[in-house]
Amino acid sequence: GMPVEQNPPALSLYEGAESGLRCNFSTTMKGVQWFQQNHRGRLITLFYLAQGTKENGRLKSTFNSKERYSTLHIKDAQLEDSGTYFCAVVGMGYKLTFGTGTSLLVDP
Amino acid sequence: EAAVTQSPRNKVAVTGGKVTLSCNQTNNHNNMYWYRQDTGHGLRLIHYSYGAGSTEKGDIPDGYKASRPSQENFSLILELATPSQTSVYFCASGGQASYEQYFGPGTRLTVL
Repeated sequence: GMPVEQNPPALSLYEGAESGLRCNFSTTMKGVQWFQQNHRGRLITLFYLAQGTKENGRLKSTFNSKERYSTLHIKDAQLEDSGTYFCAVVGMGYKLTFGTGTSLLVDP
Repeated sequence: EAAVTQSPRNKVAVTGGKVTLSCNQTNNHNNMYWYRQDTGHGLRLIHYSYGAGSTEKGDIPDGYKASRPSQENFSLILELATPSQTSVYFCASGGQASYEQYFGPGTRLTVL
């Protein structure tokens, strides 16, 4: 699949802080799925978007197919937000192509 | 209850041996997928299926076969396991009304 770039590769935040993660891709995609991978290795779906913006508690995500990017914004960071965040974009044939992830560490 | 399950959850195999990883879904989804995850690579697609009896090659199919005997079950087969296939394997299912995929808990495979 075509490359999916995630930035930053790693991020460190204090509790209560906020920050954004970005996912860039090279061609028009049908959708994006954001995951958190916890310390046990389980993939937890945070959002699936075919367009626009979704919000869930302290998390907000946008998907701009035309401009070829998606963002995940975390506000009021908590210790349990630590983990690796992956975006995966939907291309032809319902296939997902994953980015290499952003490793987030939230410190007290 | 979990809609996508994988077995075994952990497996140690010897080089040259045959390994079968199994996936079961109760979502009644047509599409199923096998990925592997290695450090620094995110997840990469090995094989996928659009329904019972169908299998398609993903981005890294070499050394793997897949089998979809029914709507619910999708297996990944390593006929001759090699140490380079040591990885964590994830199965997923997805429907056709939405592109969202639902993932199993993963299988950690070590090939010695």
